[in-house]
Amino acid sequence: GAVVSQHPSWVICKSGTSVKIECRSLDFQATTMFWYRQFPKQSLMLMATSNEGSKATYEQGVEKDKFLINHASLTLSTLTVTSAHPEDSSFYICSARNDRGMFGELFFGEGSRLTVL
Amino acid sequence: GENVEQHPSTLSVQEGDSAVIKCTYSDSASNYFPWYKQELGKRPQLIIDIRSNVGEKKDQRIAVTLNKTAKHFSLHITETQPEDSAVYFCAASIGGGSYIPTFGRGTSLIVHP
Repeated sequence: GAVVSQHPSWVICKSGTSVKIECRSLDFQATTMFWYRQFPKQSLMLMATSNEGSKATYEQGVEKDKFLINHASLTLSTLTVTSAHPEDSSFYICSARNDRGMFGELFFGEGSRLTVL
Repeated sequence: GENVEQHPSTLSVQEGDSAVIKCTYSDSASNYFPWYKQELGKRPQLIIDIRSNVGEKKDQRIAVTLNKTAKHFSLHITETQPEDSAVYFCAASIGGGSYIPTFGRGTSLIVHP
């Protein structure tokens, strides 16, 4: 199957700093990328949907100024957690899909564990 | 919007037994139902999916059934093996090129050797 690479896998930062997480589709064009937050033993909570070249669509309750999403190319989307605080500590995971066709399969990144001290 | 309920949250079986995970959805317009497996520390991966034009789909030891009238769908794993141990997520979406799946809360399946 297709490969989605997410980086970094682990990041520890101080409160008040910003952290950028990258999501890359390595062997296909990702027309749509999704960003999720996953709490321990819980489901994938969709944060936002991003389409290449346009602004991300955020889910209700997700602060767009806090979680900046950029999908500048068909192979790269970034999530920047701005002014991170301990409550932002979580597992963030992206997924990507090529929408040229029906029911395109979602491919997930490895996830990024963010710890804010 | 769509709401997906998944049960049980934890399922413990003996190797060789069958395992069944059930999901219900709220939006009758949903027509695409994928299932994902997430092994510990790894990414979720699609294991099987079903569209609303069929009632059942099988792939070796796994099968999915769909009841559109009752708005529920189930994952069946037969002859379970320890390597089946993982968290399984169901999802429902209104399909097409730009579908956005809504995920269930996940089921932690433990297969005891």
